[in-house]
Amino acid sequence: DTGVSQDPRHKITKRGQNVTFRCDPISEHNRLYWYRQTLGQGPEFLTYFQNEAQLEKSRLLSDRFSAERPKGSFSTLEIQRTEQGDSAMYLCASSFSSPYNEQFFGPGTRLTVL
Amino acid sequence: GQNIDQPTEMTATEGAIVQINCTYQTSGFNGLFWYQQHAGEAPTFLSYNVLDGLEEKGRFSSFLSRSKGYSYLLLKELQMKDSASYLCAVLGNGDSNYQLIWGAGTKLIIKP
Repeated sequence: DTGVSQDPRHKITKRGQNVTFRCDPISEHNRLYWYRQTLGQGPEFLTYFQNEAQLEKSRLLSDRFSAERPKGSFSTLEIQRTEQGDSAMYLCASSFSSPYNEQFFGPGTRLTVL
Repeated sequence: GQNIDQPTEMTATEGAIVQINCTYQTSGFNGLFWYQQHAGEAPTFLSYNVLDGLEEKGRFSSFLSRSKGYSYLLLKELQMKDSASYLCAVLGNGDSNYQLIWGAGTKLIIKP
């Protein structure tokens, strides 16, 4: 296993379109996190899964955002009706089940909304 | 509210020592992480402190004082490849579970 992978690496879309990102975590990890990061800022928590269960979702996350992890392995993050303010780097991370464990990050998907 | 403060940018010379500070005010405390992030890349784990004191790992050391809400990352024998952002993150209490609260990061510039 070579680490966390994300696809696509870059996505350019027009305002109002829907986009979907995929994350494949390290196979032994049962926790999976989604973050959003803008330039000059730290990652902002979006949501996380323990196996297939979505255990927490940021209150800042609008209803246009949804995430799934149907079989407890890969995860998808969908943004509906994209807005220019959604332009950011979307990072996925995985870890073992304890919150004290370090998180391993994927390379991210850079979204640009025109 | 929850707040983590780090200097925005620091400059240091190759071969020298630099200390990056982090102060925090969070809902709950279950440990503090330091991550390194090179431009355009994902963060990578450097250290984790949950008890007061200094943790040393090669050229990097991390210190924690829970009573002061304070941590620092110490980088020795600086190399050009250490030019990166350094992110402080506290494992606090989210709405229902532990959650990492991140600082904005300190951009470290190493000069020859």
